[in-house]
Amino acid sequence: AQSVTQPDIHITVSEGASLELRCNYSYGATPYLFWYVQSPGQGLQLLLKYFSGDTLVQGIKGFEAEFKRSQSSFNLRKPSVHWSDAAEYFCAVGALDSNYQLIWGAGTKLIIKP
Amino acid sequence: GAGVSQSPRYKVAKRGQDVALRCDPISGHVSLFWYQQALGQGPEFLTYFQNEAQLDKSGLPSDRFFAERPEGSVSTLKIQRTQQEDSAVYLCASSLGASGGGVNTGELFFGEGSRLTVL
Repeated sequence: AQSVTQPDIHITVSEGASLELRCNYSYGATPYLFWYVQSPGQGLQLLLKYFSGDTLVQGIKGFEAEFKRSQSSFNLRKPSVHWSDAAEYFCAVGALDSNYQLIWGAGTKLIIKP
Repeated sequence: GAGVSQSPRYKVAKRGQDVALRCDPISGHVSLFWYQQALGQGPEFLTYFQNEAQLDKSGLPSDRFFAERPEGSVSTLKIQRTQQEDSAVYLCASSLGASGGGVNTGELFFGEGSRLTVL
C-alpha cells in the first residue's frame, strides 16, 4: 500500500538548535517528494520538492531535504531554527506515472522553545 | 487575486443541512484541487479540475459530495445532508499547469481552508 509516515507527531527544539523531521514513504513507482509547511491560520506552503537529480535539495526559509532511496526516506533539516519556524510540517509523495493525487503524511508539529 | 481565497472560513451546520464551500483560485491557474483534512491528519484528495472539466472525483467520500467549476475559475464544493463525520477542514489548491497524466511539477498554492463543524 502507498503511504507516507511521519513518525513524530510533535517535536520540540530550542531556538537556534538544529532540526530534522523524518519522513518515510512506501510507494510502488518512482517517487516525487514534497515538504509543505502549514502555519497557524495560513494555507499550506511548499518548502521544497524532489523530482530527480541531486538527492539533496534546497528549499525556502533555509530548509533542505535529502532523498535516500535505500531508506525510503526524505528527511527535512534546518541547521538553526527560528521561532517563526513553529508550524506543522507535511511530507507528501506522488508519482509521474500516477497522477496528481499526492499522498500526505499526518504531519509533525514543530514547537520552538525560547 | 493574490492568492487562493476560500469562504466561509468557518461554518457550523446542523446535521442534515446542506453546505456550500467556495474556492477562488489564483487567476489563470488551470488546475484546481479539493482536499479534506481531518484533525491531526494530512490532507486527503477529494477531486481535481482542469479548467471546467472535473477529471477526477475518486476521492469524494460519498454521493453527498459534489463539486463544480462551471467557468473554469471559481469552484464550489457542496455537501448535502451533512453528517458529523464530514467535520473537517476543506482545502482548496490551485496550480498553473495541467496535471494530465503525471504529477504536476508546478507548485500547489493552497487557500486557508474552510473549517466545517457538523453538530
